[in-house]
Amino acid sequence: DTEVTQTPKHLVMGMTNKKSLKCEQHMGHRAMYWYKQKAKKPPELMFVYSYEKLSINESVPSRFSPECPNSSLLNLHLHALQPEDSALYLCASSQALDRELADTQYFGPGTRLTVL
Amino acid sequence: AQKVTQAQTEISVVEKEDVTLDCVYETRDTTYYLFWYKQPPSGELVFLIRRNSFDEQNEISGRYSWNFQKSTSSFNFTITASQVVDSAVYFCALSGGDNDMRFGAGTRLTVKP
Repeated sequence: DTEVTQTPKHLVMGMTNKKSLKCEQHMGHRAMYWYKQKAKKPPELMFVYSYEKLSINESVPSRFSPECPNSSLLNLHLHALQPEDSALYLCASSQALDRELADTQYFGPGTRLTVL
Repeated sequence: AQKVTQAQTEISVVEKEDVTLDCVYETRDTTYYLFWYKQPPSGELVFLIRRNSFDEQNEISGRYSWNFQKSTSSFNFTITASQVVDSAVYFCALSGGDNDMRFGAGTRLTVKP
C-alpha cells in the first residue's frame, strides 16, 4: 500500500483566514515532505520532517507553519497568505532519512489552494 | 548544486509511436539518485523508477525503459508503443543522500488516438 492521503482536495481562502492542510500515511514511513507546485512548474520542496523533527526548511515564509504531530500525520498551517501562494500543495513520505540513501518519495494527490 | 534539465517542454505523438523523454543532470556528489515521476491531469505524482549512481544497468518495465549513462550525465526514458493513457507531465528528479530532491521542469507528453 503506497497511499498518501491529503485533505482537503480544494481550498479557497481569503488573505485574513487561517486554515490547515492535512496529510496522512500508514506505510510506516518516518520522513514526510511538503512541496509547492505552481501551474506548469515542477514541485518545489518546502519542508522535510524526519522522525517527527523538522530537518529541512527551504526558507519558506513564516505564514506557512508545518507541524508533525506523529509519524503518520503532517499538517501545514496557513495564515495571512497572499494570492501568489495559490498553488497545488503536495505531501510526500519516504521510509526514512538516511544520509547514505535517498529513499523513494511517495506523493499524495495534493490540495489545490486558491487565495483570494 | 544539483540541477536537472529536461529540454523538451512538450511532445506530441500519435498512439503506438515510440517516444523518448530526455533528462540531463548536474551534480558534484559521487553518490546520487535519479527518479522519474509521472503527473497525470489529476495532479498526483506517480513514482516510476529510482536509480542510484553506481547502477548503470538499463531497465525495462513493460513498455517503459530507461537508459542511464554517467558519461553523458543522462537518464532518458522511452515509452514504446505509446497509448493515450500515457498522456501526462513527466518529471526527472535528482537527489543526493539528504533527500533534497530537485525536479526538472517536466515534459508534457500528449498521445493522440
